[in-house]
Amino acid sequence: DAGVIQSPRHEVTEMGQEVTLRCKPISGHNSLFWYRQTMMRGLELLIYFNNNVPIDDSGMPEDRFSAKMPNASFSTLKIQPSEPRDSAVYFCASSSPLRDTQYFGPGTRLTVL
Amino acid sequence: DQQVKQNSPSLSVQEGRISILNCDYTNSMFDYFLWYKKYPAEGPTFLISISSIKDKNEDGRFTVFLNKSAKHLSLHIVPSQPGDSAVYFCAASVYNQGGKLIFGQGTELSVKP
Repeated sequence: DAGVIQSPRHEVTEMGQEVTLRCKPISGHNSLFWYRQTMMRGLELLIYFNNNVPIDDSGMPEDRFSAKMPNASFSTLKIQPSEPRDSAVYFCASSSPLRDTQYFGPGTRLTVL
Repeated sequence: DQQVKQNSPSLSVQEGRISILNCDYTNSMFDYFLWYKKYPAEGPTFLISISSIKDKNEDGRFTVFLNKSAKHLSLHIVPSQPGDSAVYFCAASVYNQGGKLIFGQGTELSVKP
């Protein structure tokens, strides 16, 4: 299996622009998680889906952030408009119905100028 | 409220010696615990896990110990190798909560030749 796939790996944008991060979970996994890692806050959960349905979005920092999972093999995290404080590494992870072990993608490093 | 804590931000160990990474938790409902390893510019990689019905789990050089009464778990690496140098995260979950993991802040392990 290819593992969790994220794109792009790096994104540099200017303040005010829309940013879309993409994730393809491992085939057969029914849960998908979006995390953000910063020096200040460590690894924080933003939102997660079970069977394509958002379950808990309490970690989404504000309305500028939104996430969708239109099908079992694809999810997006969108920031509109982006701000410099959104600069971080964003990880996507997925897990199977059988256990809670999550498998992470390589991350997207976002820089907002 | 940090439910999972790793109080040592860093640890330095000589090659061949034992590395002991510690993690404390506050939520007595946690029943599944995991350790992840993270290299720079990569996503966290699952290392080893333990269920609350056990107090020890081994996988090669890696052993995780769980002390439920103290709400403490530890990861032992024996013998330590320079390739083990990475950031280690502990995580915990409650069964049947959609697979949501709560992560500690991480401990950076440096194994010196």
